[in-house]
Amino acid sequence: AQTVTQSQPEMSVQEAETVTLSCTYDTSESDYYLFWYKQPPSRQMILVIRQEAYKQQNATENRFSVNFQKAAKSFSLKISDSQLGDAAMYFCAYRSDYSDNYGQNFVFGPGTRLSVLP
Amino acid sequence: NAGVTQTPKFQVLKTGQSMTLQCAQDMNHEYMSWYRQDPGMGLRLIHYSVGAGITDQGEVPNGYNVSRSTTEDFPLRLLSAAPSQTSVYFCASSYYRGSTDTQYFGPGTRLTVL
Repeated sequence: AQTVTQSQPEMSVQEAETVTLSCTYDTSESDYYLFWYKQPPSRQMILVIRQEAYKQQNATENRFSVNFQKAAKSFSLKISDSQLGDAAMYFCAYRSDYSDNYGQNFVFGPGTRLSVLP
Repeated sequence: NAGVTQTPKFQVLKTGQSMTLQCAQDMNHEYMSWYRQDPGMGLRLIHYSVGAGITDQGEVPNGYNVSRSTTEDFPLRLLSAAPSQTSVYFCASSYYRGSTDTQYFGPGTRLTVL
């Protein structure tokens, strides 16, 4: 079974600075998707960015980018020019691309709580 | 287009009581799922459905039942509530497969079992 690890329970960053959140995963599959979700105090889960494993190019969405290292099974999230509204819980998630695993195919890490300091 | 809706937002139950958490989506998604979120454990899959009439168990199904009579609705039933079921519950939906099958989440239900 796949597992997702986020080794940083809490992180903080100064407003306008850059922060990187770590995520590693364990899988024997070659085709899969990786996601970062943001959960602000409102509890709503918001998709931040997604990466297909077959793509070598790192995904980017405005101030958010990832460093995807497939061989190392690492998927870190970089937030540039941090804003107060970025303060939230961030979850890394893995999705299998194989139908046999469909029921288990979204696996979430335990989360990293990010604080943004003014 | 409301996306994924959940009711209620908050609920307090006594041990042994039963209740149903409602979930609905208006995006014609085939795949729907229920997760529970506990501190330090991320989201864990309870049950899922790949279409009307088809459901299956996830990682932590004990104490919960589901049914899927329509594409839009996927209720979660707690048969006899226990304090261990105190958690935040999220419903999610997505297309069944494909490159755009990002999950969309509801706002969550905070359940407390006394």
